[in-house]
Amino acid sequence: QSALTQPPSVSGSPGQSVTISCTGTSSDVGSYNRVSWYQQPPGTAPKLIIYEVSNRPSGVPDRFSGSKSGITASLTISGLQAEDEADYYCKSFTTGSTSYVFGTGTKVTVL
Amino acid sequence: EVRLVESGGGLVQPGGSLRLSCVVSDFTFSSHWMTWVRQAAGKGLEWVANIKGDGSEKYSADSVKGRFTISRDNAKNSLYLQMNSLRVEDTGVYYCATNGLPWAFDIWGQGTMVTVSS
Repeated sequence: QSALTQPPSVSGSPGQSVTISCTGTSSDVGSYNRVSWYQQPPGTAPKLIIYEVSNRPSGVPDRFSGSKSGITASLTISGLQAEDEADYYCKSFTTGSTSYVFGTGTKVTVL
Repeated sequence: EVRLVESGGGLVQPGGSLRLSCVVSDFTFSSHWMTWVRQAAGKGLEWVANIKGDGSEKYSADSVKGRFTISRDNAKNSLYLQMNSLRVEDTGVYYCATNGLPWAFDIWGQGTMVTVSS
């Protein structure tokens, strides 16, 4: 099972919006609305920010939003803030011999 | 507040074994799937294994199949990962996580470091 494909890095100025793509296959992202996103600042454990494509857990700002089209899921951060600087990973449920597959990760830099 | 505390990491030679533990507090432990995820230094996240609330279903990544075994003790609110035949490429931080939201890992522990080296 290959990792989902994400861009290595994206950047934006404070207040701007950035979008991170997550491309899979028809066996994972394309087949299920079981995509989630995780934020991982340096040296810390990951934190769930989006589940089931577009749902936010309690306490996650509405600046974070998710969507999906075909085999590609996306995470958008609106009104970028300095505290958003972190690595972001998508994850999808998948068929086959494994249960889940993560994306390759994207480093978000706030300029 | 839900809290997960991992332990059991350390330095082990290739071919050796380790048993990781994860104690979960303030959570309806027996009702939920639980997961192990690992991360090599400077690398991305890798799903390792998960187990259903009653322990009746278990799944693991191809990279660890036949070597790692996930288990749980609901009476102790504890999750385990028995790791045998360890390889250098198994080195990394191992996190346990709850599956309290649909198809998502909502609460994570702080991680425990496993180093496989001669």
